[in-house]
Formats: sequence, C-alpha cells, structure tokens
Amino acid sequence: EDKVVQSPLSLVVHEGDTVTLNCSYEVTNFRSLLWYKQEKKAPTFLFMLTSSGIEKKSGRLSSILDKKELFSILNITATQTGDSAIYLCAVKYNNNDMRFGAGTRLTVKP
Amino acid sequence: EAGVAQSPRYKIIEKRQSVAFWCNPISGHATLYWYQQILGQGPKLLIQFQNNGVVDDSQLPKDRFSAERLKGVDSTLKIQPAKLEDSAVYLCASSFQYQETQYFGPGTRLLVL
Repeated sequence: EDKVVQSPLSLVVHEGDTVTLNCSYEVTNFRSLLWYKQEKKAPTFLFMLTSSGIEKKSGRLSSILDKKELFSILNITATQTGDSAIYLCAVKYNNNDMRFGAGTRLTVKP
Repeated sequence: EAGVAQSPRYKIIEKRQSVAFWCNPISGHATLYWYQQILGQGPKLLIQFQNNGVVDDSQLPKDRFSAERLKGVDSTLKIQPAKLEDSAVYLCASSFQYQETQYFGPGTRLLVL
C-alpha cells in the first residue's frame, strides 16, 4: 500500500534551535516530493524535490531527497516563533496520484 | 496575483443536511483539486479536475459527495446528506496543467453536529 510517513508528529523547540523534520515514503513510480507549511490557513508551498542529493535552500530552510532510502528531510536553522506551523510532506507518483503525510506540528517557543 | 478563493470560510450544519462549497482557482490554472483534511491528518484528495473533466475521483464517497466544474473554471463540492464524520476542512487547490506545484485556498471549515 502506498504511504507517506512523517516524523516526529510534533516537536517543541526554543527560538534559535535547529530542527530536522523527516518524511519517508513507499509509492510506485515516484515523481516528486513536495514540502508545504500550513499555519491557520492554507498550506503554502516550500520546496519540490525530484532528484537525489540536490539540496534546495530558501533562507533558513533547506531540504534534500534520498531516492535510494526513500526519504526527505526538511531543516530549519535558527528557528523563530513564526516558524510555528504544521509542515506537510506530499509525494506525487504514478500519473496523477498524490498522497500527503499526516504532518509534523512544530512549536517554537520564545 | 490573486490566489485561490473559497467560500464559505466556515459552515455549521446538522447531520443529514446538505452543504455546498465553492472554489475559484487561480486564473489560467487548468487543474483543480478538492481535498478533505480531518483534524490531525494530512489532506486527502477527493477529486481532481483537468479543465471541466474529472481526472481522478477514486476517493470521493460518491453516495453522498458530488463535485462539478462545468465551465472549467469555478468548482462546487456538495455533500448530501452530511454525516458527523464529514467534519473537516475542505481545501481547494489549483495548478497549471502538468505542473507539480499546487496552490491552496484558505479552506472551508465544516462542522457537522
């Protein structure tokens, strides 16, 4: 059965800490992996990864994909309270299939 | 650039009642998605449209859920009759044809009592 598993489910850190969020997957005909940030409103797009070993970076956020071990990590350095959100991982596979993980709820305390 | 619009933002109904949600995608986006996100879970795809045609509705509970996108732009999602377990946020997303990145609307939070 196709699945996307995120860990941890929740995480509490203090401002300035570095966090690593994990997303592992088991799907047929993998196409891409996407990371979204979901605050109170709609998920907003962060990264799309299709190739192994190539780091995508945006400010304090970075992400990398390992297609051999079937996982991706999302790193956030020097966390701020504004980073508090649910981080969703989604995998596109086959022609049009897309599956989201349950998300990691990150809380950054001042 | 205007984002994906959804209405209403919140809806409270009693079980067995009907409800409809509306979505207006980003201009030029041929692909439109409806997701159901139950509290504590990731979004689950209900239906995907390409212009006014259905690409995937395999996870849509067709006995009570229906969706249409008659002119290939706006879309409506209907639940009739609603059950308690339909309480969730209903997210609409859109993308350019064949593009992986989806842009989400603010969602409609439905509570069924």
